[in-house]
This record gives sequence, structure tokens and C-alpha cells, in this order.
Amino acid sequence: GEKVEQHESTLSVREGDSAVINCTYTDTASSYFPWYKQEAGKGLHFVIDIRSNVDRKQSQRLIVLLDKKAKRFSLHITATQPEDSAIYFCAASRNSGYNKLTFGKGTVLLVSP
Amino acid sequence: GALVYQYPRRTICKSGTSMRMECQAVGFQATSVAWYRQSPQKTFELIALSTVNSAIKYEQNFTQEKFPISHPNLSFSSMTVLNAYLEDRGLYLCGARPNQDTQYFGPGTRLLVL
Repeated sequence: GEKVEQHESTLSVREGDSAVINCTYTDTASSYFPWYKQEAGKGLHFVIDIRSNVDRKQSQRLIVLLDKKAKRFSLHITATQPEDSAIYFCAASRNSGYNKLTFGKGTVLLVSP
Repeated sequence: GALVYQYPRRTICKSGTSMRMECQAVGFQATSVAWYRQSPQKTFELIALSTVNSAIKYEQNFTQEKFPISHPNLSFSSMTVLNAYLEDRGLYLCGARPNQDTQYFGPGTRLLVL
């Protein structure tokens, strides 16, 4: 089955800098890649997603890049703010339909003022 | 907007007892509901996926006998953890999809087993 590896377990940046979280996946049939954010003691909050028909997507300060050949995707948070501090999870599924999401292990992002 | 509620938010049960958790989709119809578990220090594992008009599909290591799920309509689902033991503790998330689009998660039910 699909395996998603999230490369950075922790990431510390200073406010205003950019943060990049990288993930790789194994299933070539995966075509949908969402990112979620988990704050302390809470559930998952949808952040942004990308589908395999594009290689870049931006939503305000968030940019997602997808390299299908390398089976790699990444989340770029620009102009970071302390409130961006949280655990970020990448995930992959075979389509944006009803198939299951396979999650990475999460990256703890700490943005210091 | 799309919201997913879960109840209870936190629960404690004695080892060997059972507990039921609920998931409510508000603002959309949940044609698909997925139950995930986040065990301590681990990522999220899919327990089962329930799609309207289809049988509930359980992942390996999870069974209907242990985690029976009900999905009676397009806004509500419940799951019971039967005979809970220490290894069942964790955060149980309900994810609901309005269609083949983004999956929205509830805040989770945190289960502590004593």
C-alpha cells in the first residue's frame, strides 16, 4: 500500500522567514495530496491541497509544489507568523474521491517571534 | 461553511468496557465518512470508510466486530469501540466529504482507557 514519508520531524524558523515541509510517496497511482494542520489538543484543520493535474498551487502565503516524477510534494509557508506554529501533516490518496488518505508522521513547525 | 462536529470531545473508560462516539456533518451532506485514529506518538490510521449506498470498508487491523460503525443518513455517523483496552487509546477523528472533494475533519474524540 501507499507509504508517505514526511522528512522533517521538526522545523524552527523565525517570524517572517519561509518554512518548507517535504513529503514523498510511493504509490504512482496517488493523485490527490492534501495538507492538514493540527494545533495542540485539537483535530485536523484543512490547509491546502493539490491534484496531480497541476504542479503548483498557491493560496495566499501557502504554496504547494508537486513533482510526480520524483513522487515528491512540498508545502511552502511564506512570511511565517507565530500563529502558523502547529503540527503539519501531508497526505496522499489515489484520487480526491472516496479513497483513504495515507498520512505522513507530521512536522512540528515552530515560528519564533 | 462546512463543519464537522464530534461528541464527546474527551472520554475515559475502564479497560474492557465500550464507548460510542458520534460525528455530525453540518452545512453539507456527508456522502462519505472516514474514521481515523491517532495513537500516541503516531500519525493517523484509517479505521474504516463508509460511503452511502456501499458497504462499510474496514482497513487491515480493524474489524467491524471491534469498531462497529453506523452511517444512517447523510449527516450523521457513529462508531463504537468495543472492549476498549490500553492500545485503543488515542484521538479518533471523523472525516466527512460532501462529494469527491476535500475531506473535512471534526475536532476528534480523545479516548483514555484506564
